[in-house]
Amino acid sequence: LAKTTQPISMDSYEGQEVNITCSHNNIATNDYITWYQQFPSQGPRFIIQGYKTKVTNEVASLFIPADRKSSTLSLPRVSLSDTAVYYCLVVVGSGNTGKLIFGQGTTLQVKP
Amino acid sequence: DTGVSQNPRHKITKRGQNVTFRCDPISEHNRLYWYRQTLGQGPEFLTYFQNEAQLEKSRLLSDRFSAERPKGSFSTLEIQRTEQGDSAMYLCASSFGASGGLYEQYFGPGTRLTVT
Repeated sequence: LAKTTQPISMDSYEGQEVNITCSHNNIATNDYITWYQQFPSQGPRFIIQGYKTKVTNEVASLFIPADRKSSTLSLPRVSLSDTAVYYCLVVVGSGNTGKLIFGQGTTLQVKP
Repeated sequence: DTGVSQNPRHKITKRGQNVTFRCDPISEHNRLYWYRQTLGQGPEFLTYFQNEAQLEKSRLLSDRFSAERPKGSFSTLEIQRTEQGDSAMYLCASSFGASGGLYEQYFGPGTRLTVT
């Protein structure tokens, strides 16, 4: 069964770039890798997803190497409001019947 | 559209009682997911519907758990004979997908279950 590994916590300062890596093996070969953000007492919120190489949207970038055994979420110029837990989400299996596996989460603390 | 809603938001029950939670997805979304999340952990996948068909069930979903999605709209998750280990946040999410594959999921606020 696939297993994901993320750092449990990270600290940063406002304005810095933060990179969070998730290691994942045995994931579905044809599905996206997705990252979510979660604040206390709320459901997770979608940040970004990608299949391979690099994807960028208005809030983050996602780097995925060719072997797809890891992915790195990059948050440029973080602010205090980016303090949250960040999860990677991968799929094991394929098609409509794949199982969804969240990482254990990385708690990011942004300091002033 | 107001997003994914879940009811109740909080439920306290005594061990051995049955509980039922409801999830109303975003109206045009054909996929619906249930997860369980305990403190300090990531969400754990429980089950997944595409329209009214339940396509996947985790081994975490024991015989005491059942989920339905009649008519492919709202969904209910029932836990029979609750145990203290069932205490957790139960999250529902929905997405739209025309074919196989993972799509952006929109999560509800969750139902927090406490079993005493």
